[in-house]
Formats: sequence, C-alpha cells, structure tokens
Amino acid sequence: EAQVTQNPRYLITVTGKKLTVTCSQNMNHEYMSWYRQDPGLGLRQIYYSMNVEVTDKGDVPEGYKVSRKEKRNFPLILESPSPNQTSLYFCASSFSAGTGTKKLFFGSGTQLSVL
Amino acid sequence: AQKVTQAQTEISVVEKEDVTLDCVYETRDTTYYLFWYKQPPSGELVFLIRRNSFDEQNEISGRYSWNFQKSTSSFNFTITASQVVDSAVYFCALSERNTNAGKSTFGDGTTLTVKP
Repeated sequence: EAQVTQNPRYLITVTGKKLTVTCSQNMNHEYMSWYRQDPGLGLRQIYYSMNVEVTDKGDVPEGYKVSRKEKRNFPLILESPSPNQTSLYFCASSFSAGTGTKKLFFGSGTQLSVL
Repeated sequence: AQKVTQAQTEISVVEKEDVTLDCVYETRDTTYYLFWYKQPPSGELVFLIRRNSFDEQNEISGRYSWNFQKSTSSFNFTITASQVVDSAVYFCALSERNTNAGKSTFGDGTTLTVKP
C-alpha cells in the first residue's frame, strides 16, 4: 500500500532532550516536506527536500534540522526542543516538485509535547 | 512572498445546505498551483484538487465544485447539498512554479460543521 509513515504517533519529551521524528515513503517520491500544525495557524512548512541531499528551509525552520540521505527517508530532528515546538507535525511527499508542488501525500501526523 | 487567506474561520450549516469556502491568494509568480485539502476529525490530510494558474475552467466533482478566478485571486470551494461527513477543516494552499518551487503555503483553514 502506498503510504507515508511517520513515527512516533505521539511523543512527550522534556526541554532540551534531542529527538528525531522519522518519516518514510514507499512511493519513490522525489519531494518530501515537513509541516507543523498549530490551532488557528494552519499548516506551516518547516523544511522541504526536492531530492536526495537537497534540502531547503520553509517558513519556520528555526530549531529544526533535516537530512535526506536516502530517497525514502526524511527525518525531522529537534536538537534542543523547547515548549514552543509543541505541535502536530506532518510529513508529506509527492512526485517531482521541479515544476511546482504536486499532490501531497501526508503521513498520519506526530503529536509532540515538550514540557 | 506567497500568501493564502481563508477569511472564514468557522462555518456551520445544516445538512443539505450549500456552502462556499473562500480562498484568496497572493503571488508574484506567473505560474502557480492551487490546492484544497480536507482534514476530517480523524486528523489525516486528504488531497481534494490541484489547479494550475493557466486553467481557469471551473471544476466539478460530484457535490464538490471549485471556482478559480485570476482576476480576483480567488479559488473558492463549494459543497452542494452538504452532508454530516463533510464536517472537517478545509485548507487552501499555494505553490509557485518558478520561485521556490518546493515551497507551499497553506491558509489557516476553515472549520466546517454540518449539522443533521
């Protein structure tokens, strides 16, 4: 089944403790992206990747890192989480975005709470 | 910079009413793409439509229809004869082709409640 898999689904952590949210897709998509969803603010793009080893900042990249060493995986890293990073996170993928973003396939989301 | 505005934060209708969700966008790019996504109470995000800036033809898919008007920079979404299952948060999104092709901007979303 074609899907985007995020793990974990829920995560509670404490300020400053490094964490990684994994994202994997099995559709051979070139493009992958991370978003955070906060009440009243819609979805805001954190980072995106047009292909392996090609990543770029979205609108809210501060406090986050990403890597794209393989086509299928695009982990989101919070090196020193803070309470303002408490949010619902979505990973998404699509076919090549070289001529504009295509239909996005989203993961199920990761609810992160930073205490 | 690209921007998407969904002025309606919440809409409540009674089943079988028609409802229109507004979306206004800003972009400097001559080629761009507009999207609508649905997020039902279960939380997943579901793609509904993608429209490129060259195609102003309105589209209909069952009870759903979309009205794209470049002159007013709007891409509105209408649900005809709404049903309880249409209750969800709906997001409009914009992606430019030539400037930052990988960036996508979402509106804040409109929460639609359809009452039986």
